[in-house]
Amino acid sequence: DQQVKQNSPSLSVQEGRISILNCDYTNSMFDYFLWYKKYPAEGPTFLISISSIKDKNEDGRFTVFLNKSAKHLSLHIVPSQPGDSAVYFCAASKYSGGGADGLTFGKGTHLIIQP
Amino acid sequence: DTEVTQTPKHLVMGMTNKKSLKCEQHMGHRAMYWYKQKAKKPPELMFVYSYEKLSINESVPSRFSPECPNSSLLNLHLHALQPEDSALYLCASRSTTGKTYGYTFGSGTRLTVV
Repeated sequence: DQQVKQNSPSLSVQEGRISILNCDYTNSMFDYFLWYKKYPAEGPTFLISISSIKDKNEDGRFTVFLNKSAKHLSLHIVPSQPGDSAVYFCAASKYSGGGADGLTFGKGTHLIIQP
Repeated sequence: DTEVTQTPKHLVMGMTNKKSLKCEQHMGHRAMYWYKQKAKKPPELMFVYSYEKLSINESVPSRFSPECPNSSLLNLHLHALQPEDSALYLCASRSTTGKTYGYTFGSGTRLTVV
């Protein structure tokens, strides 16, 4: 059973426009959510995160929104740039205070920024 | 130093070989992880070490043997692997104190089993 879902395998957006990547989760124990960007044959690069006690976190061009009641989060990138073309993974964590659970990843969304 | 370093970057091994993957970080993170990523799939958690002790083993076959010799190093010993074990193996670390939740990933070891 997939606990973190990214239902769009790919997304094409024109340069300068807003990119919106979506993610849904099923496990209500998740209390921390992260977005990673990944290029082929490289490790994931951390982008932005959000705690379950917040509904929005912003960092430069990246904003993550969390709707706990809907178990849904989204990543907004504005304006989109050619260098943003990559696979974006949504990930979730259950922080077991003092300990450290691993991340559960969605399947990823391939973002393509068109010039 | 804010990196997780993995060596080697590429490894080709036969099914009867024994090899090891190495992961190193000097950020003082006391949680370290091994993930496996197959092509066009998300990373899947294999092992979690917390304070140098194995805390999570996600039912990984015994041909994969993790080791955490100290707080900066994490090894993955490989023996009698199968071709389907070919994948990108990712190491990650994370702080277990304060409110720093971010995981830092290495660039991975691309493993091919022949």
